[in-house]
Amino acid sequence: GQQLNQSPQSMFIQEGEDVSMNCTSSSIFNTWLWYKQDPGEGPVLLIALYKAGELTSNGRLTAQFGITRKDSFLNISASIPSDVGIYFCAGPPGNQFYFGTGTSLTVIP
Amino acid sequence: DGGITQSPKYLFRKEGQNVTLSCEQNLNHDAMYWYRQDPGQGLRLIYYSQIVNDFQKGDIAEGYSVSREKKESFPLTVTSAQKNPTAFYLCASSIDGQGWRQRNTGELFFGEGSRLTVL
Repeated sequence: GQQLNQSPQSMFIQEGEDVSMNCTSSSIFNTWLWYKQDPGEGPVLLIALYKAGELTSNGRLTAQFGITRKDSFLNISASIPSDVGIYFCAGPPGNQFYFGTGTSLTVIP
Repeated sequence: DGGITQSPKYLFRKEGQNVTLSCEQNLNHDAMYWYRQDPGQGLRLIYYSQIVNDFQKGDIAEGYSVSREKKESFPLTVTSAQKNPTAFYLCASSIDGQGWRQRNTGELFFGEGSRLTVL
């Protein structure tokens, strides 16, 4: 299946710090999606991107759709303890959605 | 409220038994999906359906079966042929459904998941 390379795999940060993670694909995507998953729950959509170069914010979260349409990044500013969880990128290069392997975020108060 | 409902949330099964996980959505979405998640790993696609009465295998379909008799329902059966069924199963849906050949540009929404444990 489609490979999405997501990095970093895990992050341990102090509360208040900014976070950056990225995702690259082997093929062109027409949509990039970023999700957060809490333990034992389904992923929740954070941001959806539809155009190359698009920069979209949702509160303290900012995501960009790369110009090449093969990458995307997610930034979280001024992290807080409730940001803890696993963040996934995803996209549909065709009629399926593929997911990155996830970035596990731990915020130390 | 509109959304995706999975049941049961927790399920225990003896080896050799089939089990069916329910997924219902009232979002009027055409496409539905089943993913499997193992600890510390990403989501892997089991099956997906773009329209009623049609479904396609994903990357790890062996040992699983699905049906799509109604637009709002996409049950997953984990059969005894699945060698390592213990996992967290996630159902999802998206609005696009113009036929499986169409590119999917919509967003994907998830249920809360079903955790299956084989004893």
